[in-house]
Amino acid sequence: AQSVTQPDIHITVSEGASLELRCNYSYGATPYLFWYVQSPGQGLQLLLKYFSGDTLVQGIKGFEAEFKRSQSSFNLRKPSVHWSDAAEYFCAVGATFKNNDMRFGAGTRLTVKP
Amino acid sequence: GAVVSQHPSRVICKSGTSVKIECRSLDFQATTMFWYRQFPKKSLMLMATSNEGSKATYEQGVEKDKFLINHASLTLSTLTVTSAHPEDSSFYICSASGTSGGLQETQYFGPGTRLLVL
Repeated sequence: AQSVTQPDIHITVSEGASLELRCNYSYGATPYLFWYVQSPGQGLQLLLKYFSGDTLVQGIKGFEAEFKRSQSSFNLRKPSVHWSDAAEYFCAVGATFKNNDMRFGAGTRLTVKP
Repeated sequence: GAVVSQHPSRVICKSGTSVKIECRSLDFQATTMFWYRQFPKKSLMLMATSNEGSKATYEQGVEKDKFLINHASLTLSTLTVTSAHPEDSSFYICSASGTSGGLQETQYFGPGTRLLVL
């Protein structure tokens, strides 16, 4: 079965600095990959997803992620972080289009310093 | 984007009582709704999938008699934690999808409900 690991529990970056959140997955074939953001008091919001095609995926709020099959990774990046980006970020992986196949990582909490 | 609400946002109850959590899609018809449980420092765990008018499909290891799910309309699903115990304390999140609920369809998540059982 597929699984996903987010190695960093908590990351702190300065406002304006670049950001990279790591996500590693385990699955034998090409997975379906997602990044979600969860702000306090808000539901999870989809930032971007990868199903096939171009391995560099653009999402909302200036985020992008790159699927690297050789590294089994799908890291989330943003060139310049804003204070409003402080939130919990979840990577998720699916083996099929069935929702009950999707597995979430444990999340990475992002703190943004002024 | 579409909005999903949950009520209550947090609830404290005594051990042995039952608690009902509501999940509503506010501006779209949710054919499929999902219920997740999130433990501290842990990922979301899918508990069950419900389709309007049908019985919920529970994931392995989830007690269907413990966690009663009803999806009586296209805008409302409820999760009832029956005879709650302290180990049921958790963060419960629902999500909704407008069609089949497959991964190709966007899921819209509610803000979650914090349950504390004393």
